[in-house]
Amino acid sequence: NAGVTQTPKFQVLKTGQSMTLQCAQDMNHNSMYWYRQDPGMGLRLIYYSASEGTTDKGEVPNGYNVSRLNKREFSLRLESAAPSQTSVYFCASSDSGGISGANVLTFGAGSRLTVL
Amino acid sequence: AQSVAQPEDQVNVAEGNPLTVKCTYSVSGNPYLFWYVQYPNRGLQFLLKYITGDNLVKGSYGFEAEFNKSQTSFHLKKPSALVSDSALYFCAVRDPSGGGADGLTFGKGTHLIIQP
Repeated sequence: NAGVTQTPKFQVLKTGQSMTLQCAQDMNHNSMYWYRQDPGMGLRLIYYSASEGTTDKGEVPNGYNVSRLNKREFSLRLESAAPSQTSVYFCASSDSGGISGANVLTFGAGSRLTVL
Repeated sequence: AQSVAQPEDQVNVAEGNPLTVKCTYSVSGNPYLFWYVQYPNRGLQFLLKYITGDNLVKGSYGFEAEFNKSQTSFHLKKPSALVSDSALYFCAVRDPSGGGADGLTFGKGTHLIIQP
């Protein structure tokens, strides 16, 4: 059982280049999330998808787009990368059953992105 | 709006001694509270959560946390620290009355260092 799988694990971009981070989960979870982790700032929510076909902005959505391709996959796209987007990106998923908002998030191993 | 504070960037504890990692929160309603742990170059892993009921919550690896509504705190504790407990610990909160994302709001994290 792989859980949440993110690709790539590492990526170096030049300013202005575009790229897509891929995320897939095999736990049949309805909700999926993209967070970024920066030193001293914890994790901040970029976008989330409460269910297949829906996406919503989180705390720091500027410069990013997302696609919920199907129930399993949720991708994050940087259209024109900037040095401020240098970060570690985490995808997570959770089941929406039970008490709403009380569900545990399962995280991927992270994708380290450097923008020069 | 929901928020969480971890007042200590780093906590140093000798192996075998009790440990406490502090967390305070701010929500408008009754909170859902979580602790996650992150080992180097890994994603976050769930430790425990408080939803309702008994104020003392027990979780993985011998950790526990005490919910204190009057002090708006949810400190993480362990009676006897192990070197393997050394990691980055995140407190997170969700205000179920706030609407919006099921995503959590995370604190900035506390580095726990257990010295042999």
